[in-house]
Amino acid sequence: DVKVTQSSRYLVKRTGEKVFLECVQDMDHENMFWYRQDPGLGLRLIYFSYDVKMKEKGDIPEGYSVSREKKERFSLILESASTNQTSMYLCASSLFRGTSGVTPTYEQYFGPGTRLTVT
Amino acid sequence: GQSLEQPSEVTAVEGAIVQINCTYQTSGFYGLSWYQQHDGGAPTFLSYNALDGLEETGRFSSFLSRSDSYGYLLLQELQMKDSASYFCAVSGTYKYIFGTGTRLKVLA
Repeated sequence: DVKVTQSSRYLVKRTGEKVFLECVQDMDHENMFWYRQDPGLGLRLIYFSYDVKMKEKGDIPEGYSVSREKKERFSLILESASTNQTSMYLCASSLFRGTSGVTPTYEQYFGPGTRLTVT
Repeated sequence: GQSLEQPSEVTAVEGAIVQINCTYQTSGFYGLSWYQQHDGGAPTFLSYNALDGLEETGRFSSFLSRSDSYGYLLLQELQMKDSASYFCAVSGTYKYIFGTGTRLKVLA
């Protein structure tokens, strides 16, 4: 089974702190994603990475940065946490393409989430 | 721009059939996916449609019409454990755009 783990389930930080959220996947997936989930807004893509050291902005990258030094690990960094970054953060991974002869489904595997509270 | 629309909430009774619709507007469309998320849990993949038509997986079916930019998730023989949020998502080359989710309440 694919396993995506996140470093913390719950995190409380103060305004202005630098926050690191870590995500690790064990299935050798090329793609990794960071989303935030807020009530009524669904899942919004912050950043994604399709290869080591590669990153692309998603829909709401402001106030965030990412790092992917190893294939299995994708980190989300809040440079200076603010109260409007209080949210559930979800990491996901997926294969870049299907295996030979198999149509890719682009299925994403999600971690359990980190509920971040910034006070 | 890119957008997806789905109802915010649907209520049905145990044993019934419910359909959750999703309309989308996007470029670079590869397919339509559905995810289920129970309260406090992570989203889990249910189905994917790349071509027009109906895909069936047990009690769940998913439909896509590319010409109408429309799809739906059909849940049959509803069970209490189906109470959850359901998200449609359109996939491009690398990434998904998710809808805002439909909360399904199953009543006894």
